[in-house]
Amino acid sequence: GAVVSQHPSRVICKSGTSVKIECRSLDFQATTMFWYRQFPKQSLMLMATSNEGSKATYEQGVEKDKFLINHASLTLSTLTVTSAHPEDSSFYICSARQGTGELFFGEGSRLTVL
Amino acid sequence: GNSVTQMEGPVTLSEEAFLTINCTYTATGYPSLFWYVQYPGEGLQLLLKATKADDKGSNKGFEATYRKETTSFHLEKGSVQVSDSAVYFCALLFTGGGNKLTFGTGTQLKVEL
Repeated sequence: GAVVSQHPSRVICKSGTSVKIECRSLDFQATTMFWYRQFPKQSLMLMATSNEGSKATYEQGVEKDKFLINHASLTLSTLTVTSAHPEDSSFYICSARQGTGELFFGEGSRLTVL
Repeated sequence: GNSVTQMEGPVTLSEEAFLTINCTYTATGYPSLFWYVQYPGEGLQLLLKATKADDKGSNKGFEATYRKETTSFHLEKGSVQVSDSAVYFCALLFTGGGNKLTFGTGTQLKVEL
């Protein structure tokens, strides 16, 4: 099946710093990618929909200035957590939609903010 | 709004035991229903899906039937293996709603020898 890769898989940063997470579709072009956040023992919560060449669409309650999303090419979307705080510590997952409409997920990135 | 409720885990079974993971949903209209599986250290993978009432999705020995009358999509397997140990997510999708998946909380399955 199609492959979506996230990097880094784990990151630890100090409070107040910014962290960038990359999501790449390795063998297909994705005009649409999605970013999710997962808390322990909770479901994946959709944060935003990333469309290539246009601004991301954020879900209600998600701060767009806090979670910057850039989808500059058909194979890469990035999520930047700005001025990170301990409450931003979470598991972030991306997915990319293939031309058939099927979604493929990355392995996830665990962010720990100290 | 739309929501998915899954049974809490972890579920621990012996190899060759029968598996059921319950999933019920709340939605307006008729969504498509999915089961995703996440093996340790990997991303979510589509396991099976059903797009309309009474459809049965199946893959790798797993089955789930779209039951409109009970708004359920329970996952079953007749004989689990150690390699089935993973986290299983039930999800629903409305194609008219921006193709956004709504997930359940996930159920961890542990299969022991």
